[in-house]
Amino acid sequence: KNQVEQSPQSLIILEGKNCTLQCNYTVSPFSNLRWYKQDTGRGPVSLTIMTFSENTKSNGRYTATLDADTKQSSLHITASQLSDSASYICVVSDRGSTLGRLYFGRGTQLTVWP
Amino acid sequence: EADIYQTPRYLVIGTGKKITLECSQTMGHDKMYWYQQDPGMELHLIHYSYGVNSTEKGDLSSESTVSRIRTEHFPLTLESARPSHTSQYLCASSESKGTNTGELFFGEGSRLTVL
Repeated sequence: KNQVEQSPQSLIILEGKNCTLQCNYTVSPFSNLRWYKQDTGRGPVSLTIMTFSENTKSNGRYTATLDADTKQSSLHITASQLSDSASYICVVSDRGSTLGRLYFGRGTQLTVWP
Repeated sequence: EADIYQTPRYLVIGTGKKITLECSQTMGHDKMYWYQQDPGMELHLIHYSYGVNSTEKGDLSSESTVSRIRTEHFPLTLESARPSHTSQYLCASSESKGTNTGELFFGEGSRLTVL
């Protein structure tokens, strides 16, 4: 069964600290993995995309990694800011169907305190 | 900022009412989607469209219907709302990239409460 599991479910950190969010998936055949950021009351916004051949990719203070062998991805946030408080959603796409089906994690709710 | 818009943002209605959630995008995307999102849960696909006059049901059983008469417009209709329909509804669009789904661009969402 194709699934996407994220951990932790929620996380509280102090402003300026770093944190790492995890995403494990069983989706096969794998096409790509995206991390989305969803602010409260808003729609999700894409942060980064990882394809099979990519190990790491950065977008400002956000760095995503992918280990396609173990089917794990992480999102590392450096020097957190209050505006980083949001839900971070891992989305995996397969390439075996005409739909290009997407599998969503439940998200990690990150709260950054001053 | 994505050019995809949803109205209304918030709606409180009584049981049995008919409602339509509007979604429009100005990016010329062929693919459009409706997702349902409840707190702490993953997004569930309820309807999608690959282009004009093309609509399909998603994974989540839904009593809603959709139409795609114009590329930019993808409204969702509930003929008779029930309290179980209370949820956040997210509209999204993406470019066509063969069988792969490109980046999703989401609207701000419509939060529906049925009393």
